[in-house]
Amino acid sequence: GAGVSQSPRYKVAKRGQDVALRCDPISGHVSLFWYQQALGQGPEFLTYFQNEAQLDKSGLPSDRFFAERPEGSVSTLKIQRTQQEDSAVYLCASSLMLTVATNEKLFFGSGTQLSVL
Amino acid sequence: AQRVTQPEKLLSVFKGAPVELKCNYSYSGSPELFWYVQYSRQRLQLLLRHISRESIKGFTADLNKGETSFHLKKPFAQEEDSAMYYCALKTQYGNKLVFGAGTILRVKS
Repeated sequence: GAGVSQSPRYKVAKRGQDVALRCDPISGHVSLFWYQQALGQGPEFLTYFQNEAQLDKSGLPSDRFFAERPEGSVSTLKIQRTQQEDSAVYLCASSLMLTVATNEKLFFGSGTQLSVL
Repeated sequence: AQRVTQPEKLLSVFKGAPVELKCNYSYSGSPELFWYVQYSRQRLQLLLRHISRESIKGFTADLNKGETSFHLKKPFAQEEDSAMYYCALKTQYGNKLVFGAGTILRVKS
């Protein structure tokens, strides 16, 4: 396939609006990650799925952030009542195996650039 | 908490000059270290990982546990090496990567 696909590529939201960001991982990939990348910073971990199970959501910054992967493939990151500080690039990544082991590769999507006005 | 520090925001070198991108980490256990690269208008991709002791595109990186460093080196820089480079750490437990803030490498002709 074409790799990890994310949509939309760009999203402009008014403050207070809800947004949903979609990630299509590579077919058959078990592990899926969401990262948030603010301008001038490296990616920061948000949450991790193993198939449909959300095993780690320690990086979600507030209860306005919610992620799901109901059938173990496509994932959606939802942000409710967006704030200006939510403006960032949201990256999705997937890998074939259960663990990002030393011999396992993580494939990143192109990201969704969210701007909250 | 784990932390990755890349002290240089921008490193500018001439073609053919040696390159060293610095990376220091903070973690009390046994880390796994990676370098990721993002070329202009491309996705973030893995460059190399310490456990493999590999050389990719002429780049190498050695894990120095005493100095808690994982610097990326290349003896002769090429223009096509110009990109954003991120150092990343994975802990013994869990799957997430902790990234540094990144260093822009600019190779001038």
